[in-house]
Amino acid sequence: DAKTTQPPSMDCAEGRAANLPCNHSTISGNEYVYWYRQIHSQGPQYIIHGLKNNETNEMASLIITEDRKSSTLILPHATLRDTAVYYCIVRGGTYGGSQGNLIFGKGTKLSVKP
Amino acid sequence: KAGVTQTPRYLIKTRGQQVTLSCSPISGHRSVSWYQQTPGQGLQFLFEYFSETQRNKGNFPGRFSGRQFSNSRSEMNVSTLELGDSALYLCASSFNSGTKQGTQYFGPGTRLLVL
Repeated sequence: DAKTTQPPSMDCAEGRAANLPCNHSTISGNEYVYWYRQIHSQGPQYIIHGLKNNETNEMASLIITEDRKSSTLILPHATLRDTAVYYCIVRGGTYGGSQGNLIFGKGTKLSVKP
Repeated sequence: KAGVTQTPRYLIKTRGQQVTLSCSPISGHRSVSWYQQTPGQGLQFLFEYFSETQRNKGNFPGRFSGRQFSNSRSEMNVSTLELGDSALYLCASSFNSGTKQGTQYFGPGTRLLVL
């Protein structure tokens, strides 16, 4: 089972920041938080990942709480093309172990509206 | 750098047939993972290959198999197709390095329809 909990859907106005929450209360010390998104029927697209520090790249920012039990993905200026299902995934840091694969939950369907 | 490529993109088969899907990873990536996505079950892990060896396997019947070649390209095979095998099959590749933490990058998928 997925180790994360996300709201099933969210709306966001175009041009505004989209803040997508994720709870991962059972995360362990060596597990990373990954975010992917899937635009209708395409392959999932990697967005960002982090361990405990906040991370930022050209697509998004990832804010992880100090206790690491939750995180927020921030799309700073959402566009219509950001409409997708966003998946928050907890994954082990030891590559090749049983945690190497990604366990997808149902994700959050983000709808960006004009 | 080219992304993960999968062939074919679309496929129609009938029950009882078998099918082989192909995946070419990003250049330099040595690990390939396969996932199945259906409306009912969502995205589920099938198996992972690294250096031509299966390293991890999901909870799928033995009809689902795979292999990896020395150039890291991978194939998956489904024998005796069932209607429920209709799905989007996704391949993901990653570069096995401790500093890279093995981020997986997905291909566009192969959509299989079993009639």
